[in-house]
Amino acid sequence: DAKTTQPNSMESNEEEPVHLPCNHSTISGTDYIHWYRQLPSQGPEYVIHGLTSNVNNRMASLAIAEDRKSSTLILHRATLRDAAVYYCILNSGYALNFGKGTSLLVTP
Amino acid sequence: NAGVMQNPRHLVRRRGQEARLRCSPMKGHSHVYWYRQLPEEGLKFMVYLQKENIIDESGMPKERFSAEFPKEGPSILRIQQVVRGDSAAYFCASSSRGPGNTEAFFGQGTRLTVV
Repeated sequence: DAKTTQPNSMESNEEEPVHLPCNHSTISGTDYIHWYRQLPSQGPEYVIHGLTSNVNNRMASLAIAEDRKSSTLILHRATLRDAAVYYCILNSGYALNFGKGTSLLVTP
Repeated sequence: NAGVMQNPRHLVRRRGQEARLRCSPMKGHSHVYWYRQLPEEGLKFMVYLQKENIIDESGMPKERFSAEFPKEGPSILRIQQVVRGDSAAYFCASSSRGPGNTEAFFGQGTRLTVV
């Protein structure tokens, strides 16, 4: 799988939008962009995934650049429960390969 | 529809003993993945199985570790002759289709402590 680059950590205030960036300049045409998060002491949780078009679900939105070399996970209103490590993963048919992710801190 | 069930949640073994970790995938899911997370480290892929077949075991240590997903029953990750370095959280995930355009659902993990 191609590699992704994410900031080590980000901080947000509660009830404000959060934009988590991910760079994947070596993405291939068959790579899906996946986002998972892991809350403390829990298993990873699926957030969203997409291929080329922007995607929305009840948890978040995924904005994919036109050249697909980067993407942004958008949490529309951060809550304290959104504090977690967020992983951006490219996947084209192999098992998910987790990197270091972005540790999101949400402050009241 | 129950989620991915892993048991036990916590397992303590003495050095040299065997550890058996069980994973029941979500109903209707035939793809199972095992991951290991060492303390303060990221998740590392171990093995991918699809009912009775090992598809990818590139992340499995060559010795002492084995995995199976029989036709009936849960997937089992077996660690023989455990050592202190095996202490970690082991997570199982399942999906209805192969990886790529599908979401995977993870269990709450088994925390193995080797004393």
